[in-house]
Amino acid sequence: QKEVEQDPGPLSVPEGAIVSLNCTYSNSAFQYFMWYRQYSRKGPELLMYTYSSGNKEDGRFTAQVDKSSKYISLFIRDSQPSDSATYLCATSRGTGNQFYFGTGTSLTVIP
Amino acid sequence: NAGVTQTPKFQVLKTGQSMTLQCAQDMNHNSMYWYRQDPGMGLRLIYYSASEGTTDKGEVPNGYNVSRLNKREFSLRLESAAPSQTSVYFCASSVSIGNQPQHFGDGTRLSIL
Repeated sequence: QKEVEQDPGPLSVPEGAIVSLNCTYSNSAFQYFMWYRQYSRKGPELLMYTYSSGNKEDGRFTAQVDKSSKYISLFIRDSQPSDSATYLCATSRGTGNQFYFGTGTSLTVIP
Repeated sequence: NAGVTQTPKFQVLKTGQSMTLQCAQDMNHNSMYWYRQDPGMGLRLIYYSASEGTTDKGEVPNGYNVSRLNKREFSLRLESAAPSQTSVYFCASSVSIGNQPQHFGDGTRLSIL
């Protein structure tokens, strides 16, 4: 079993829709959770960084962590064509070297 | 701000050739990393450097070597390239190891024939 599982999609939505991207993880010791956005032929760009459970909001983006079910989500409100990218979730224990990345979900927002 | 800069952006090698991928960061980060990204496999850690003067193996180190030249620079060397090393290579850095988010460069696309 992989440490982090992420549905690869692809996911296609109309402009203005609310997008929900999700990951599950296996180890209850994970404390730090991240979402990255990766445009084609670019490196991953940090979007959200959260610690432990709860919600964090930044503009149109909301990251949510539910440690009881080992489930992390990224919500995008009022989605725009510029949001079309691959979204990677990541997690770590907070000690040691290892970050665990999901394989990414490909999102297309149609104008 | 440049952030994390990787050179070259593209490279084609023949099997058995060697090359060094360069990475530099200007964020005064202590920790640096090398990953490879393959379709369906996600990002896999090759080597990392927790701080200047230290390097350690990650998940997939075989066939690679690294050098932490100074605080800013971390290079990845392929001594004898193999087709299985065809991939996109990303360098990343973070303030410190463990709980700080990593910041990535734009990658080197490497093809080995």
